[in-house]
Amino acid sequence: AQSVTQLGSHVSVSEGALVLLRCNYSSSVPPYLFWYVQYPNQGLQLLLKYTTGATLVKGINGFEAEFKKSETSFHLTKPSAHMSDAAEYFCAVIRGGGYQKVTFGTGTKLQVIP
Amino acid sequence: KAGVTQTPRYLIKTRGQQVTLSCSPISGHRSVSWYQQTPGQGLQFLFEYFSETQRNKGNFPGRFSGRQFSNSRSEMNVSTLELGDSALYLCASSLGQGPEAFFGQGTRLTVV
Repeated sequence: AQSVTQLGSHVSVSEGALVLLRCNYSSSVPPYLFWYVQYPNQGLQLLLKYTTGATLVKGINGFEAEFKKSETSFHLTKPSAHMSDAAEYFCAVIRGGGYQKVTFGTGTKLQVIP
Repeated sequence: KAGVTQTPRYLIKTRGQQVTLSCSPISGHRSVSWYQQTPGQGLQFLFEYFSETQRNKGNFPGRFSGRQFSNSRSEMNVSTLELGDSALYLCASSLGQGPEAFFGQGTRLTVV
């Protein structure tokens, strides 16, 4: 079985401040990990993914995440928040292999304060 | 390259009715997955189709069903609608062998 825990359903940061969204996972086999962003009334957009190889993954819009196996974490960061980053972010995990059944976290709503 | 297209974008139905939602995947993608998103339960996996066969299924009652056509387009059907079925239904398409999927904008279903 696999699961995803996102700490903090709401996170507020000032514009220009560091963004840190936390994600911890559990998986009995090496996982594939994803971060998605969702804007109001929209679908999910892939920010970045970790499959194998380099544990620091860079994504779109200046976001990056680091896979830490020892901590079972995959936290999402961005050095400087922009107003357009305000959205809901979802961490997701699948077991190695095809995209057949993904488990999503409960989501974190990011508010950016001007 | 066109993205994943879901139709309709919005639907209002009455309790007890049935509804069919449609998803056209990205050209060349053979896998289509469906998800239900609600404020209370978050994103929950419904089922996945690959080459017209249901390959994976989530924990939803039999009122929720789907199918996939030879052109990879997929439909999801919900019968005997309940108020709790009100949700955003998302479809995702992928090649089927890799870990990346692309989502449509969703269909917002409201049951009254």
